[in-house]
Amino acid sequence: GAVVSQHPSRVICKSGTSVKIECRSLDFQATTMFWYRQFPKQSLMLMATSNEGSKATYEQGVEKDKFLINHASLTLSTLTVTSAHPEDSSFYICSAGQGAREKLFFGSGTQLSVL
Amino acid sequence: AQTVTQSQPEMSVQEAETVTLSCTYDTSESDYYLFWYKQPPSRQMILVIRQEAYKQQNATENRFSVNFQKAAKSFSLKISDSQLGDAAMYFCAYRSPFSNDYKLSFGAGTTVTVRA
Repeated sequence: GAVVSQHPSRVICKSGTSVKIECRSLDFQATTMFWYRQFPKQSLMLMATSNEGSKATYEQGVEKDKFLINHASLTLSTLTVTSAHPEDSSFYICSAGQGAREKLFFGSGTQLSVL
Repeated sequence: AQTVTQSQPEMSVQEAETVTLSCTYDTSESDYYLFWYKQPPSRQMILVIRQEAYKQQNATENRFSVNFQKAAKSFSLKISDSQLGDAAMYFCAYRSPFSNDYKLSFGAGTTVTVRA
């Protein structure tokens, strides 16, 4: 089946630094990628939707200047957490799909810890 | 926006027994998709089962089956012959095929523990 690769799986950084997370669709072209955030024992909260070649659509309450999303190709989307702070510590998951009636595939997630 | 409700934060089941997880949703659309995802301790999201709203037949995948009641907007998951590996958090999700972003709306999740 289709595979979505997400890197890194775990990152620890100092407060004030920026962190980039990559999401790649390995064997299909993803027209749309989604970025989620998940706190322990809670559900996945959609942060933004990115379409290749266009600006990402952010959910209400998500700071677009803090969470920069780039979807430069049909196989790669990146999420950059800028000037990270301890409250940004969370589990981030991406998913990718080819269309509204096609399956969505999830990356394995990235645990971000900001010290 | 569609709302997905899972009213059971936790469920416990004896190994080899059956457990049913409930899910209700709110929508004005007639064509949509419903999903159950499993998230084990590894936190990898795994698709358990998918139901297309225009299909009346309930979806099944081995020991997993759903009871899809479209009029009642209910979509429960039954896990039969529960195994230790079924222990995980289970999420019910809704997706519309009509919106440009076709995003998934998730319920709050149900944590399933399996007793040996």
